[in-house]
Amino acid sequence: NAGVTQTPKFQVLKTGQSMTLQCAQDMNHNSMYWYRQDPGMGLRLIYYSASEGTTDKGEVPNGYNVSRLNKREFSLRLESAAPSQTSVYFCASLIRNYGYTFGSGTRLTVV
Amino acid sequence: SQQGEEDPQALSIQEGENATMNCSYKTSINNLQWYRQNSGRGLVHLILIRSNEREKHSGRLRVTLDTSKKSSSLLITASRAADTASYFCATAPYGGATNKLIFGTGTLLAVQP
Repeated sequence: NAGVTQTPKFQVLKTGQSMTLQCAQDMNHNSMYWYRQDPGMGLRLIYYSASEGTTDKGEVPNGYNVSRLNKREFSLRLESAAPSQTSVYFCASLIRNYGYTFGSGTRLTVV
Repeated sequence: SQQGEEDPQALSIQEGENATMNCSYKTSINNLQWYRQNSGRGLVHLILIRSNEREKHSGRLRVTLDTSKKSSSLLITASRAADTASYFCATAPYGGATNKLIFGTGTLLAVQP
C-alpha cells in the first residue's frame, strides 16, 4: 500500500557530481512521470514514460536522463549536476481517468 | 510554459468561511484536475472534471469548468485549519495521448483558526 516511493528524500551534491533519483510504484500503472518544482513556477515536466520500454522528453529535459527499468521503476539521472538543478523532484504515476499519484519528493541542493 | 494560472496567488480566510480559487488555461483540454500540497509534502489529487462537464462535487469541494472562458474554479466550503495548503490546477491538453499534465503555479491558502 506504499503507492509511489521516492529515494532519497534529501541530497546535497557538488557541482559536477552525478546521482540517480529512484522511483517505484506498486499500483501496476503504465504511465510514470518526473516533475521538478521550483518556487513560483509550479511543476514542470522533465521526462515521462507512457509504458514500460518507452520514455519521452517533457518541458525541461536538458541535463537529465531517465530509465524505465521495468513497469514498477522509473529513475531520473543527473550526469553532471549544476546549481540550476537545485529543486524538489517529484515522481508520479497515473491512474487513468482519475489523476496522478505523487511520491513525497526528493529535495536536491547542488552547491 | 505554464498552461494554468491560479488566482489569487495567496488567500487568507477564517475557519468556517468558504474559499474560492480560480484557474485559467490557454488551450483546449480533455480534463482539468485540482491537487493539494501540504507544506513539504507531495501533491494529492482532489478532483477531476472532464471537458464535457460543467460542475462536480466531492465532499466540501465544488469544481466548475467553463470551457468557453477556459477557466475553472475550486470552492472549499466551511474551511478548516487542516485545509491550509497550496492548491494547483492541472490540465490534460486535448489530443494528448500520454496524459501529460500541465500545472499552474498554485494558490496558497491559509485558514486561520
